[in-house]
Amino acid sequence: GAVVSQHPSWVICKSGTSVKIECRSLDFQATTMFWYRQFPKQSLMLMATSNEGSKATYEQGVEKDKFLINHASLTLSTLTVTSAHPEDSSFYICSARQGGDTIYFGEGSWLTVV
Amino acid sequence: AQSVTQLGSHVSVSEGALVLLRCNYSSSVPPYLFWYVQYPNQGLQLLLKYTTGATLVKGINGFEAEFKKSETSFHLTKPSAHMSDAAEYFCAVSESGGSNYKLTFGKGTLLTVNP
Repeated sequence: GAVVSQHPSWVICKSGTSVKIECRSLDFQATTMFWYRQFPKQSLMLMATSNEGSKATYEQGVEKDKFLINHASLTLSTLTVTSAHPEDSSFYICSARQGGDTIYFGEGSWLTVV
Repeated sequence: AQSVTQLGSHVSVSEGALVLLRCNYSSSVPPYLFWYVQYPNQGLQLLLKYTTGATLVKGINGFEAEFKKSETSFHLTKPSAHMSDAAEYFCAVSESGGSNYKLTFGKGTLLTVNP
């Protein structure tokens, strides 16, 4: 099975609502998780680095208040897109660092805002 | 700062032919280099990585890549393409010894394999 699991895989939400995406490391503890965004036919852009028990570190240009990241436990990080708009529609991918330079990626979550 | 350039957004080969996907990087410190594969609507799967040691790295599915410091390159090759190799391939770099292992990705190369 997948080492890192994301849920949901697909989500459609109405404009103005909030949606939460979960990223779980299934069989290891991840002190660091990363959230990426990928537009169709483009590369992955790092949004933020999530460290367990502390505030996430956001990349330049990423709105902290819009993309809320919580890393409440060593196996779970969540990304909440607040007041979603159609331009937030994208493929969101998380990754989790198992240790050293070993990083596993989740299967990704498609968000469509209508 | 680090960056990755993948030459060719789309590479098309015949089944059984050599696969060569190009990747050049820029890094102010010794890099860690990675190749990932992404199948449609899925996450990323690690093909191989270079951290230290032998510069020719072998990965899964018959792929290999060679780290060439003088050329700042980390090209991905496979001697004989298979239909199942059709996917998007991403080269990525992170700073060795970095405390957070952030990955910087290239724009990706779509590999199509013709029968």
